[in-house]
Amino acid sequence: KQEVTQIPAALSVPEGENLVLNCSFTDSAIYNLQWFRQDPGKGLTSLLLIQSSQREQTSGRLNASLDKSSGRSTLYIAASQPGDSATYLCAVTMNRDDKIIFGKGTRLHILP
Amino acid sequence: NAGVTQTPKFRVLKTGQSMTLLCAQDMNHEYMYWYRQDPGMGLRLIHYSVGEGTTAKGEVPDGYNVSRLKKQNFLLGLESAAPSQTSVYFCASSYSPDPALLKDTQYFGPGTRLTVL
Repeated sequence: KQEVTQIPAALSVPEGENLVLNCSFTDSAIYNLQWFRQDPGKGLTSLLLIQSSQREQTSGRLNASLDKSSGRSTLYIAASQPGDSATYLCAVTMNRDDKIIFGKGTRLHILP
Repeated sequence: NAGVTQTPKFRVLKTGQSMTLLCAQDMNHEYMYWYRQDPGMGLRLIHYSVGEGTTAKGEVPDGYNVSRLKKQNFLLGLESAAPSQTSVYFCASSYSPDPALLKDTQYFGPGTRLTVL
């Protein structure tokens, strides 16, 4: 059974710092991995999607990497801003049945 | 494009009552999903559909039924609501054959907050 783990559960950093969020998964038979952002009381917004054959994706200040063999992904946020404060979730899509399994998220707080 | 919409936004039920949550998408997506989100549990997949007329069970399907009679709509039903079904329910869709849209990216609705007393 696929398990997706995100560490840490919560993180506070001063504005301007670069930071890394971690996601690990136990079953490497994935089709893709996505990173989402969720603001309090809102739905999820997709940030980056990495296909299983890719190593990384970049969008603005965000860079996501994928190491499928070791079951790990990281989301790198450069020059953090208070507006980056949110919960970040990663999710994997399984090859065999298209199910999508989410981690529990990392709650990020950027201190002004 | 409205994207993914959910109806209703809020609902309070009594134990044993039934209701249907409606999800609609206007992006011509093939895949649609229903999740529930609970504190400390993250997002868990209830049911999903990979095309019109098809449905499949997710991680936590018990107590729920779904139907996908039209490609743009995915309905989630609770036949006899229980307090354990108090949660925030999210619908999502993905996979459009339209090359102008990002394939595989999931688009989420704003959620339905359900309380069962």
